[in-house]
Amino acid sequence: QSALTQPPSVSGSPGQSVTISCTGTSSDVGSYNRVSWYQQPPGTAPKLIIYEVNNRPSGVPDRFSGSKSGNTASLTISGLQAEDEADYYCSSHTSINTYVFGTGTKVTVL
Amino acid sequence: QVQLVQSGAEVKKPGASVKVSCKASGYTFTGHYIHWVRQAPGQGIEWMAWINTNSGSTNYAQNFQGRVTMTRDTSISTAYMEVSRLKSDDTAVYFCARLYSISSKAFDYWGQGTLVTVSS
Repeated sequence: QSALTQPPSVSGSPGQSVTISCTGTSSDVGSYNRVSWYQQPPGTAPKLIIYEVNNRPSGVPDRFSGSKSGNTASLTISGLQAEDEADYYCSSHTSINTYVFGTGTKVTVL
Repeated sequence: QVQLVQSGAEVKKPGASVKVSCKASGYTFTGHYIHWVRQAPGQGIEWMAWINTNSGSTNYAQNFQGRVTMTRDTSISTAYMEVSRLKSDDTAVYFCARLYSISSKAFDYWGQGTLVTVSS
């Protein structure tokens, strides 16, 4: 199972919006609305920020939103803040009941 | 509150085995699957396997089949992951994570991570 494809890095100024893409196949991202997103600051465990494509767990700011079209899911961070600087990973359930993560994207706040 | 607490760092020689534990608290252990992922230094996250903590059934990523074994002890709410025939590229931080729900397929709570270093 190949990793889902994400851009290595994205950047933006405070207050701007950034979008991270996550491209898979018809056997994972394209098959199910079971895409989740995780935020990982350096040296810490990942934190769930989006599940089932566009749902936010309690406590996650509404600046984070998700969407999906075909085999590509996206995470948008609106109103970028300094505390959003971290690595972000997407994840998808697959047709053989396994999971796959994305390659990861480093978000830099300029 | 929900917590997953993993065992401490390990240093192993190539060819050896390592067993990492993940003790759950704050919820009904058998009500949620436990997954294991790993992250090599400076690299991305790689999914490894899941265990149904109720039935004990498992499923492994193809890359790890035959070399990774997941078990659980429901009496102490603990899941285990054993990796055998260790190689230098198994050096990584290993995380356990709780599956939020079978329908969501998302990991809502994570252990703190266990660094496994494989070196001669």
